[in-house]
Amino acid sequence: EADIYQTPRYLVIGTGKKITLECSQTMGHDKMYWYQQDPGMELHLIHYSYGVNSTEKGDLSSESTVSRIRTEHFPLTLESARPSHTSQYLCASRKTGTYEQYFGPGTRLTVT
Amino acid sequence: GIQVEQSPPDLILQEGANSTLRCNFSDSVNNLQWFHQNPWGQLINLFYIPSGTKQNGRLSATTVATERYSLLYISSSQTTDSGVYFCAVDSNYQLIWGAGTKLIIKP
Repeated sequence: EADIYQTPRYLVIGTGKKITLECSQTMGHDKMYWYQQDPGMELHLIHYSYGVNSTEKGDLSSESTVSRIRTEHFPLTLESARPSHTSQYLCASRKTGTYEQYFGPGTRLTVT
Repeated sequence: GIQVEQSPPDLILQEGANSTLRCNFSDSVNNLQWFHQNPWGQLINLFYIPSGTKQNGRLSATTVATERYSLLYISSSQTTDSGVYFCAVDSNYQLIWGAGTKLIIKP
């Protein structure tokens, strides 16, 4: 069982609010990822990081931002939430030199 | 870029049945992984299988890298096997995902 945590698990918020989704892992993995996924659909990479102070945008255009100040922590921020941001957000990590990605439980976000 | 296709998109079976899920990919890959996403959204690594065959209990997977496909076998299905099964291949240390196979096991 992987040690990767996400909070909150569920969030309902109004349009225009700023929110931060938290992701932490205790495995010392250097690579971390954020995915967006609509229920039962394929995952889309929105941000990734190869280590502290490294962040990159993924294939899916996103209005979110990320930071990587500590190895274990990779928060995702939405400056102004919109109904189109309603989705599940999954955080993952992996160790350099290995291929297996480990996933957190996800945050289900609903923007009203 | 690499394309990943999974089939079938949906599968409904009775408990106890066996099933085979397929993943085709368009280019040679360094690795391939199978994941199970349960009805609560949690993604679990099933297999890391760039080539060859692996087994874990009732599940097994085979990847034929030269022919660019992988198969996931589930034997004696249980209701807890329900969910979506994804395969994903590595491209520049990012995963390219298939659209998944939604499996429903009826009691």
